[in-house]
Amino acid sequence: GENVEQHPSTLSVQEGDSAVIKCTYSDSASNYFPWYKQELGKRPQLIIDIRSNVGEKKDQRIAVTLNKTAKHFSLHITETQPEDSAVYFCAASVYNAGNMLTFGGGTRLMVKP
Amino acid sequence: GAVVSQHPSRVICKSGTSVKIECRSLDFQATTMFWYRQFPKKSLMLMATSNEGSKATYEQGVEKDKFLINHASLTLSTLTVTSAHPEDSSFYICSPGGTDTQYFGPGTRLTVL
Repeated sequence: GENVEQHPSTLSVQEGDSAVIKCTYSDSASNYFPWYKQELGKRPQLIIDIRSNVGEKKDQRIAVTLNKTAKHFSLHITETQPEDSAVYFCAASVYNAGNMLTFGGGTRLMVKP
Repeated sequence: GAVVSQHPSRVICKSGTSVKIECRSLDFQATTMFWYRQFPKKSLMLMATSNEGSKATYEQGVEKDKFLINHASLTLSTLTVTSAHPEDSSFYICSPGGTDTQYFGPGTRLTVL
């Protein structure tokens, strides 16, 4: 089955700096890679996703890159703000298999004001 | 995106009791429902996949006789934790399959004393 590794497990940055979180996956059949933000006690919220037919996607301060050959994808947050502090999860799935997700271990991002 | 509700949001019970968690897909007919479990400071782990009108499939290590899943209709799936023990204390989250992107219910925080 799929295995997703996520690094780092914790990340502390100063407000305004950039944050990068990296994930690797094992199943070459995976073709859908979403990123979720989870605040304490809340459900994961989708913040951005990318499919295997593109290498990069951007939405305002958030961007995701995908390297299919190396089987890794990354989340980039620019101009971080204190409200970006949360736990972020990457995930992978085979889109046409019903969207069952395999999650990375999570990254606790702390943005210091 | 898909609107998903869960009930109850929080439950505290004594060891040995059974707890039923309901997950409703409010605007989408879900033939498949994914049930995840999240322990404190950990990632989401898929427990089982319920299928409307047929038996659920369980992930390795998840006891099907302990975690009873019923998917009675296209809008309702239930997870019953039978004879709950303190180690079952966790955050249980459902997610309907078959949507373009995966959305999660608000989660149920189970605490077993």
